[in-house]
Amino acid sequence: GAVVSQHPSWVICKSGTSVKIECRSLDFQATTMFWYRQFPKQSLMLMATSNEGSKATYEQGVEKDKFLINHASLTLSTLTVTSAHPEDSSFYICSARVSVSLEQYFGPGTRLTVT
Amino acid sequence: DQQVKQNSPSLSVQEGRISILNCDYTNSMFDYFLWYKKYPAEGPTFLISISSIKDKNEDGRFTVFLNKSAKHLSLHIVPSQPGDSAVYFCAANDAGGFKTIFGAGTRLFVKA
Repeated sequence: GAVVSQHPSWVICKSGTSVKIECRSLDFQATTMFWYRQFPKQSLMLMATSNEGSKATYEQGVEKDKFLINHASLTLSTLTVTSAHPEDSSFYICSARVSVSLEQYFGPGTRLTVT
Repeated sequence: DQQVKQNSPSLSVQEGRISILNCDYTNSMFDYFLWYKKYPAEGPTFLISISSIKDKNEDGRFTVFLNKSAKHLSLHIVPSQPGDSAVYFCAANDAGGFKTIFGAGTRLFVKA
């Protein structure tokens, strides 16, 4: 089956620093990748949609200058949380989708803790 | 405005019995529905889907039913197994398929 990896699986950083999270589709080419955020006991909140080679489309309320998304290839997308603050602490999950399918394949998630 | 609603935050079922997870949606433009299963500290995994042109899709122990007139779908798991204990998310795609809207999830506990 389609496998999506995320790195790192968890990270602790100090307030004011930046953190980069990588999302890779391991055995397929993903035309579209999505970044979600999940708060405890809540649903997945879509942050942005990215297509390879083009700028990401951000959801309303998501600061694009704070959450930088780069989709450099059909197998790699990165999310950089810039100038992180404690309120950015969350579980970030990426997913990937091939063009002919509506199913998304999710990565295992990254737990970010900002101290 | 929640377009996909899962009104039961949790459900407890005895092993071997049927689990029924419910989902309601408000947007009549949704034409493809999916169920995902999620274990703690992991990403969701795709479980089963159904197109709006169908009213039932079955895959092994999992069956999804769609009632378009009521804007309601349900996931049936039978027989339920302890390994099915997880959070189940209902999701819907619009006709363009560009965006998937997720419900808040229902936590299923299957007791041995």
